[in-house]
Amino acid sequence: EAGVTQFPSHSVIEKGQTVTLRCDPISGHDNLYWYRRVMGKEIKFLLHFVKESKQDESGMPNNRFLAERTGGTYSTLKVQPAELEDSGVYFCASSPRVNEKLFFGSGTQLSVL
Amino acid sequence: GQQVMQIPQYQHVQEGEDFTTYCNSSTTLSNIQWYKQRPGGHPVFLIQLVKSGEVKKQKRLTFQFGEAKKNSSLHITATQTTDVGTYFCAGREGAGSYQLTFGKGTKLSVIP
Repeated sequence: EAGVTQFPSHSVIEKGQTVTLRCDPISGHDNLYWYRRVMGKEIKFLLHFVKESKQDESGMPNNRFLAERTGGTYSTLKVQPAELEDSGVYFCASSPRVNEKLFFGSGTQLSVL
Repeated sequence: GQQVMQIPQYQHVQEGEDFTTYCNSSTTLSNIQWYKQRPGGHPVFLIQLVKSGEVKKQKRLTFQFGEAKKNSSLHITATQTTDVGTYFCAGREGAGSYQLTFGKGTKLSVIP
């Protein structure tokens, strides 16, 4: 069984540019989560999809971040325009049901210069 | 908002020594999970605790959930080099809340 896949693994962009991160959850997992870890800090929740619907987006930092999950399969997280403080590792995770363990992807290391 | 404090931030132990990491939540939790992240890897689920005062064991690892469901600990007996990594606790606040609040993690180094 394939795990959670994230692309790209690394992205280096300049301030003001746009970046789109992609996450393919485990097949059949309705719940998809985005988390972010800024260096030296905790892993912070960004948002939660149930199928194609946003269940909770209370962790999204601001309106420069846009997440989508069209068709309830893969998800994208777009940052536009990127700022220096957006640097960090963006993790995607999925689970078959809420309140269960999360399966994490390998993350996207985003560096904004 | 909910906060989960985790200590220590770093721990260096000699192989064979024991190791413990502690988590404290600012609010009562419905459940708490523990994850391990190996160097260069991603968080991998270890266990979930749900009941007040619950204790679970996985080989050399012992997990506890406090009576008040606000604190938890992970204890490793006789550490091995394979235990190296960062251990995170992550709590869910209420039955209707599905987001996990993570602690900052404890990075464990094991000296052979």
